Amino acid sequence: EVQLVESGGGLVQPGGSLRLSCAVSGFTFINYSMNWVRQAPGKGLEWVSYISSSSSTIYYADSVKGRFTISRDNAKNSLYLQMNSLRAEDTAVFYCARAKGGYSGYFDNWGQGTLVTVSS
Amino acid sequence: DIQMTQSPSSLSASLGDRVTITCRASQSISSYLNWYQQKAGKAPEVLIYAASSLQSGVPSRFSGSKSGTDFTLTISSLQPEDFATYYCQQSYITPFTFGPGTKVDIK
Repeated sequence: EVQLVESGGGLVQPGGSLRLSCAVSGFTFINYSMNWVRQAPGKGLEWVSYISSSSSTIYYADSVKGRFTISRDNAKNSLYLQMNSLRAEDTAVFYCARAKGGYSGYFDNWGQGTLVTVSS
Repeated sequence: DIQMTQSPSSLSASLGDRVTITCRASQSISSYLNWYQQKAGKAPEVLIYAASSLQSGVPSRFSGSKSGTDFTLTISSLQPEDFATYYCQQSYITPFTFGPGTKVDIK
């Protein structure tokens, strides 16, 4: 069974940092590109970042570029999102999502999400 | 960036109704259009990928179609478990933009 489990969310002050993790199981992680998607409370879905299977290709949404860093450890079957200089508008549930079909693939499996709250 | 619009933003429907949701891309995205269903407090789940391909395990009452840069999600006969919010998403090029969503509730 494919499983994606996010962790690392919590309450952080503006300007602070958090590192999200996504532990995966049930599939060969190295064969898949991965994404982070977020959802502010009561709002729609916003794509955040993409990383290819080998980490050779990475993309970010303009809203997080220069502040967030996506990475992965294929030996540990884990995806990460380092978030720095956090702002109130980054408050959201963050989901990791597997991309079926590479770069232009669809998100066929999602984690349950982890809530990040940026507030003083 | 490619903008995705959806209509309507919400709709009320009865069990057994045929429901149609439309998504429009601001430029050509070929068939790189996906539909997701999200229930309250849950992660999204893919229903349709590549505009018209039904994801494994998804009931056949869901279907998708494409006409130029207009895409349609159809639910042929609304069931109780279909009350949710539906999002379209383009996976043609980053940023992989989502539509604003269509909330389907009970009439």
